[in-house]
Amino acid sequence: ELKVEQNPLFLSMQEGKNYTIYCNYSTTSDRLYWYRQDPGKSLESLFVLLSNGAVKQEGRLMASLDTKARLSTLHITAAVHDLSATYFCAVDMDSNYQLIWGAGTKLIIKP
Amino acid sequence: GAVVSQHPSRVICKSGTSVKIECRSLDFQATTMFWYRQFPKQSLMLMATSNEGSKATYEQGVEKDKFLINHASLTLSTLTVTSAHPEDSSFYICSARDTTGFTYEQYFGPGTRLTVT
Repeated sequence: ELKVEQNPLFLSMQEGKNYTIYCNYSTTSDRLYWYRQDPGKSLESLFVLLSNGAVKQEGRLMASLDTKARLSTLHITAAVHDLSATYFCAVDMDSNYQLIWGAGTKLIIKP
Repeated sequence: GAVVSQHPSRVICKSGTSVKIECRSLDFQATTMFWYRQFPKQSLMLMATSNEGSKATYEQGVEKDKFLINHASLTLSTLTVTSAHPEDSSFYICSARDTTGFTYEQYFGPGTRLTVT
């Protein structure tokens, strides 16, 4: 059974600091996704990682994938308050395209 | 980019009534749509996979007679919560897959907040 674990589940940090959210998955998957969710809102797609060693960056966020370790990281550089949200990782496979979700990481960035 | 709409965005209904939620892919065809529910401070829980022209596939523990799904066209899927009870109050989110271009991406609707009183 494919399972996804995120840590930490809650993260409070100061503006300007760097931090990393980790996403582990239990078996081989075809894709790994990172999403952002603001309170009361739906999901915003951030990154899709397809292959081992993939790295994608958008602004202060950078995501990477190590398929051998079954690990993805979402790195936040010089955090700003606007990045406060809940971040989810998810994986899926070509067999059914069902997304298997992590529990989410609630990120609070204090001014 | 691909857009998925949901209607209504918020609904309050009385216990025992039924509520229909629509999910539409606005600029692409979606043979597959997914319905999720999300409780406060929790992750998304897949309820069912909706396939155009066929019966939906429900996840274990989801009552198919309570959560009726109809995917009658390539751009519309509906979720009807029948005989709603307060425990059905939740945030319901749909997603749709653009299957024409053989892509894997799912596009998410804005969600429907259901409150049953």
